[in-house]
Order: sequence, then structure tokens, then C-alpha cells
Amino acid sequence: EAGVAQSPRYKIIEKRQSVAFWCNPISGHATLYWYQQILGQGPKLLIQFQNNGVVDDSQLPKDRFSAERLKGVDSTLKIQPAKLEDSAVYLCASSLFSAFSGNTIYFGEGSWLTVV
Amino acid sequence: GNSVTQMEGPVTLSEEAFLTINCTYTATGYPSLFWYVQYPGEGLQLLLKATKADDKGSNKGFEATYRKETTSFHLEKGSVQVSDSAVYFCALSEEAAGNKLTFGGGTRVLVKP
Repeated sequence: EAGVAQSPRYKIIEKRQSVAFWCNPISGHATLYWYQQILGQGPKLLIQFQNNGVVDDSQLPKDRFSAERLKGVDSTLKIQPAKLEDSAVYLCASSLFSAFSGNTIYFGEGSWLTVV
Repeated sequence: GNSVTQMEGPVTLSEEAFLTINCTYTATGYPSLFWYVQYPGEGLQLLLKATKADDKGSNKGFEATYRKETTSFHLEKGSVQVSDSAVYFCALSEEAAGNKLTFGGGTRVLVKP
């Protein structure tokens, strides 16, 4: 079974530029998450989708970050304009069904962003 | 809100030593608890989980027991190998909070031969 796919793996941009990350979850997984992991810290949830609807985006800096999950499958996370403090790994994750707290959430390998 | 606290690293051990990583949590209800591992250059992988009090999760020689009375989920392994060198994250998920994972800060473990 294919895992969660993310691209690009690495990106270096200058501050104030824009960047987009793409995620393809495991087939059939209704719930998709984007996490931000700053070096030396635990991942922090940015946004959670259930199919193509947003469940939780309370921690998403909406003045610069946006995400969409058209058709309830792939998702794109965009940052515009980027700031130095956005340098982090952006992790996409998916799970089969979010109604059970013990449901396993599967992570992709992450997209590493460096803002210079 | 929910939170997870785990011991800071790095933890440096010799091969075959005993490993313990402490994890405590704060939650409003009855969360499920997880340990994820991140090997160098790789993504997060689920190591083990427990979904109710007194459950023991186990995998690859690692164990953790869900202790509701002490709100803890400490990770243990009796004899570590060099290949266990990684960053370990404790996390919780609660239905009332949308079943999203809340992570601790991670503990880096380095096992020397």
C-alpha cells in the first residue's frame, strides 16, 4: 500500500516569496492533516480536513497560509508571503476515519522549507 | 487545552542499555496515547499506541502502559540497539478535540556501540 506522498521534499526561497506544497494521502483516507514541525520541536497542527471540508484551522496563520483539498483527495498548502520563521518541515498526514481517537494517523516524509 | 510533556534529550546510551522516556499528558477527557518515532531523514512512524487506561502498547521491543492515575505513558525498552537512535514523540488524540494529534517536544536518543 502506497504511503502519504508529498512534494517537493526540499525548497529554499527568499522571504516574501511564495511556495506551495502538495500532498496525496493514502487511498481511501477521508481525513487529511497538515502539520508544521520547527526544528527541535514537536509537530503542530495547521489544518485538518474531513473529505473536502475543513474541520480545524484554528492554528493556521490565515494572513499568509492557505490550504485546500479539492475533490476530497489531494491537498495543497500555500504560503504567501513567506517569513523567516516559516522555515520548518511541513508534514502531511492522513487517516481512514476521524471518529475514533485511537485511529492511526500516517505521515508523509515531509517537505523541508528554508526561508532565507 | 490538551498538552503533552516529555523529557528533554538528548539521551545517550550504550548498546544493550535500558531506555526510559518519560511522558505525561493533560487532557479534558479520555484520550488515546501514542508514541511516534522519527529516524534520521525519515518521516514520523507510529511505534505503538494505547486507547484506554491500563492498556499496554508494544512494538519492536518497546512498551508503554497507559496510566490514567498518573496521566503518564512512559516508553521503555529493555535492551537498545544502535538502530534505535532516533527522535521519539509522545502524542495524544481526543475525540472531543477532533481526533487530531497533540505532540510533545520530542526526545532525541543516541545509542552508541
